[in-house]
Amino acid sequence: EAGVAQSPRYKIIEKRQSVAFWCNPISGHATLYWYQQILGQGPKLLIQFQNNGVVDDSQLPKDRFSAERLKGVDSTLKIQPAKLEDSAVYLCASSLGQHNTEAFFGQGTRLTVV
Amino acid sequence: GDSVTQMEGPVTLSEEAFLTINCTYTATGYPSLFWYVQYPGEGLQLLLKATKADDKGSNKGFEATYRKETTSFHLEKGSVQVSDSAVYFCALSDRGSGTYKYIFGTGTRLKVLA
Repeated sequence: EAGVAQSPRYKIIEKRQSVAFWCNPISGHATLYWYQQILGQGPKLLIQFQNNGVVDDSQLPKDRFSAERLKGVDSTLKIQPAKLEDSAVYLCASSLGQHNTEAFFGQGTRLTVV
Repeated sequence: GDSVTQMEGPVTLSEEAFLTINCTYTATGYPSLFWYVQYPGEGLQLLLKATKADDKGSNKGFEATYRKETTSFHLEKGSVQVSDSAVYFCALSDRGSGTYKYIFGTGTRLKVLA
């Protein structure tokens, strides 16, 4: 079974530039999550999709971050414009359901904003 | 709101030593509890889980018991190996504000010396 795929693995951009990350979840997984993991901290949920609908985006900085999950499969997360404090690893995860089910994580995209 | 608190790291042990990593939580509902592990250069992966009080999750020699009375889910292993060196994250899944979401602790880095 293929795992959660993310790309790119690494990205370096200058502040005020824009960047996009892509995630392909495990086939059949209805729930998709984007997390931000700053160095030395635990993952922080940015947005959660159930199929192609957003169920939680309370911690997404909506003035600069956006995410979509067209057709309920692949997802993209965009930052525009980036700030220095956005430097982090962005993790995508998927699960069959929302509760009591294992979340499978991709390897993440490490973003450095300079 | 919901939260997870883990003991500070890093934890450095000799091979075959006993391991305990403390985890306590606060939750508005009746959460499921998880331990995830992140090996160097890899994504997070589920280590074990427990879905109700007094449940014991176990995997690869690791154990954790869901203690509702003390709101704890401490991770233990009787004899650690060098290959256990990784970052360990305690997490919960709870239905807060109508949607289930995963909340992670800050992680505890374990280093096992030969």
